[in-house]
Amino acid sequence: ETGVTQSPTHLIKTRGQQVTLRCSSQSGHNTVSWYQQALGQGPQFIFQYYREEENGRGNFPPRFSGLQFPNYSSELNVNALELDDSALYLCASSLDSSPAETQYFGPGTRLLVL
Amino acid sequence: AQSVTQLGSHVSVSEGALVLLRCNYSSSVPPYLFWYVQYPNQGLQLLLKYTSAATLVKGINGFEAEFKKSETSFHLTKPSAHMSDAAEYFCAVSGPGSARQLTFGSGTQLTVLP
Repeated sequence: ETGVTQSPTHLIKTRGQQVTLRCSSQSGHNTVSWYQQALGQGPQFIFQYYREEENGRGNFPPRFSGLQFPNYSSELNVNALELDDSALYLCASSLDSSPAETQYFGPGTRLLVL
Repeated sequence: AQSVTQLGSHVSVSEGALVLLRCNYSSSVPPYLFWYVQYPNQGLQLLLKYTSAATLVKGINGFEAEFKKSETSFHLTKPSAHMSDAAEYFCAVSGPGSARQLTFGSGTQLTVLP
């Protein structure tokens, strides 16, 4: 069984650019959540997708947007990149959107904004 | 809003000694509680979770945690530390109700001394 995968593993962008990060969920999982982990901090919730619909959003501006596809893979898009967007972006999938359900994390995409 | 406090950003123990990592949550209704471990340059791996069944929860790699409602705590323990336990540990909470996202503590870096 394949776990959660993310691409790319590393990315360097300049301020003002746009970026798209990708996540493939674990087989049988219909829910994907995205988190931002700044250096030395715990992950912060960005948003969750359940069956292709946004199902909750954290305290992030609208320039952070996402999609979930019919195969339950997902994208995170960030427009107008800022220096503070430099972080590890983690994707997690789960069987469903219940808060009791375990979220399985991918290895992350490390984004550096110069 | 829910929050999680992890006391001690850095904990050092000798190999073979008891590991105790502290986590307190703030919620008027018992939430779901999780411990994750993160090794350098990797994603998060679930160690164990509490979902209102037994208050003493056993996880992988010899770790366990006890849910204490009266103390709003969910401390992580392991009787005998191993060098391979050196990593960052995150306590997280989700729920109750519709709060589907994981809210993480700031993490505890565990160092195991030979």
